[in-house]
Formats: sequence, C-alpha cells, structure tokens
Amino acid sequence: GENVEQHPSTLSVQEGDSAVIKCTYSDSASNYFPWYKQELGKRPQLIIDIRSNVGEKKDQRIAVTLNKTAKHFSLHITETQPEDSAVYFCAARPDSWGKLQFGAGTQVVVTP
Amino acid sequence: DGGITQSPKYLFRKEGQNVTLSCEQNLNHDAMYWYRQDPGQGLRLIYYSQIVNDFQKGDIAEGYSVSREKKESFPLTVTSAQKNPTAFYLCASSEQKNTGELFFGEGSRLTVL
Repeated sequence: GENVEQHPSTLSVQEGDSAVIKCTYSDSASNYFPWYKQELGKRPQLIIDIRSNVGEKKDQRIAVTLNKTAKHFSLHITETQPEDSAVYFCAARPDSWGKLQFGAGTQVVVTP
Repeated sequence: DGGITQSPKYLFRKEGQNVTLSCEQNLNHDAMYWYRQDPGQGLRLIYYSQIVNDFQKGDIAEGYSVSREKKESFPLTVTSAQKNPTAFYLCASSEQKNTGELFFGEGSRLTVL
C-alpha cells in the first residue's frame, strides 16, 4: 500500500520568514495530494491540494509543488504569521476516490 | 448548518468495556471514514464506507467495529480487544464524485482508565 513520509516533524520559524514541509510517497499510482491544517483543539481542514497533472499550485501565501518523477511534494508558506501555527498533514490518494494515506504531521510554530 | 457531528467529545472507559463513538453527517456524502490520531503518527485509517450497508477495513481495524445502516450515520465501536484504545478519534466524510476532500468532525477523545 501507499506510504507517505513527512519531514520535519517540528518546524519553528520567525514571523515573516518562509516555512517548507516535504513529503514523499511510495505508490506511483497516487494522483491527488492534499494538505490539511489542524489548529490546536480543532478539526483538520483542507488548505490546498494538487493533482498529478500539475507541477505547482498557489493560493495567496501558500503553495504546493509536486515532483512525480521523484515522488515527492512540498508545502511552502511565505510571510508566516502567528495564525499559521498548527499541525500540517500531507496526504496521498492511491485510489480513484477519497481514501487518503496521511503523513505523520509537522508541528509549525511561528514566533513573533 | 451542515457538517459532521461527533459525540461524545470526551469519554472515559474501564478496561474490558466496549464503547461506541457516534458520527453523524448532514452533508449528503456517500463516503465516511474513521481515523485514529496519535502524537507523531498522523491520521491512521480504521474503517471506511463508500455506501450504505457496506464498509471496509482500513490500516488498523483490529479491535474495532463499525456499521453503516444509514447514509448519515457511521458509528465506531472500540471493543475490549483493542489493546491500546486511548487516542483521539476523528470521523470524516466525502463525496465520491469530486476530489474527495475530507470533511472532519471535531473528534472524540477516548481515555481508558
């Protein structure tokens, strides 16, 4: 089955700096790669996603890049703000519907 | 207000007891899922269901059971056979025909005393 590895497990950044989280996946059939953000005490929510026919996608301060050949994808957060502090999960979908395989998560702490 | 409702939010159980976690959605989604969240291990899939009266084991189904008698409901039973049941449990749902974005409930925290 699909295996998703996520690094780093924790990330501390100064407000205004950039943050990068990297994930690798094992199943070359995976075609959908979402990122979920979970703030403390709250439910995970989708923040951005990318399909395998696209190399990069941006939404304001966040962007995701995908390298299908190397089987890795990354989340980039620019101009970080305190409200970006949360746990971020990457995921990969090996089937044609919604079942996802999640990475272990990255705790991002943005310090003022 | 559409969404997914999980209950109870907190639950304590003695060893050897079964406990059932409730998950209800009014999003008219076909698919529903149960994930277990432990520190440093991400979200691990316990069971999932694509349609009513059908469900499949996920990666860590041992010691758990589910039912899907109604489209909007997907309860999870944590049985006494689950060796390490203390965890945070998240229910989710998705449409089958689109990207498959998961919509999560607020979770249930189970503590075994």
